[in-house]
Amino acid sequence: GQNIDQPTEMTATEGAIVQINCTYQTSGFNGLFWYQQHAGEAPTFLSYNVLDGLEEKGRFSSFLSRSKGYSYLLLKELQMKDSASYLCAVMDSNYQLIWGAGTKLIIKP
Amino acid sequence: DAMVIQNPRYQVTQFGKPVTLSCSQTLNHNVMYWYQQKSSQAPKLLFHYYDKDFNNEADTPDNFQSRRPNTSFCFLDIRSPGLGDAAMYLCATSRVRGGTDTQYFGPGTRLTVL
Repeated sequence: GQNIDQPTEMTATEGAIVQINCTYQTSGFNGLFWYQQHAGEAPTFLSYNVLDGLEEKGRFSSFLSRSKGYSYLLLKELQMKDSASYLCAVMDSNYQLIWGAGTKLIIKP
Repeated sequence: DAMVIQNPRYQVTQFGKPVTLSCSQTLNHNVMYWYQQKSSQAPKLLFHYYDKDFNNEADTPDNFQSRRPNTSFCFLDIRSPGLGDAAMYLCATSRVRGGTDTQYFGPGTRLTVL
């Protein structure tokens, strides 16, 4: 079966750095997405990786290793507004998005 | 601004009373999706339309149906809502199906079943 694993919850301090990991096992691979979802709101797109390596976008970076079935989202200079769930999703060989359950990130002052 | 709009944002219905959720988009995207998301769970794909081509996920209950009368609008009908259908229903669009195309989500409709 297809599976996306990410930690259920993480806690970090304002101003610090946090890394949210995602491992996947899917039928084929056509890219990996990270979405941010604030409580009670819709997911919003953060990043897309299809080649190995690091993609940087401001305070957020996303890394992919296809051989290891592994990705991480790195958030720097954490702000209170970064408190949200972070969803990892992989597009499989049928171009369907397979979603993880999300990592709830709690930022403390 | 181009966007995905869902109405209503909050919907309350009685057990067994049919309900319709609506989604519209001004992005002129070809693909529209309906997801169900329960608390602390991954979004679960119910249906998607590639233009007028309807795709029903294998495990979507028969209680759920969808209509896409034109490019801009898509509806989710729940024929006989049960308590287990209480969830956030998310509509999303993408320009094409698959590849690098990002899905853009509406704000969601939170359904409560009494």
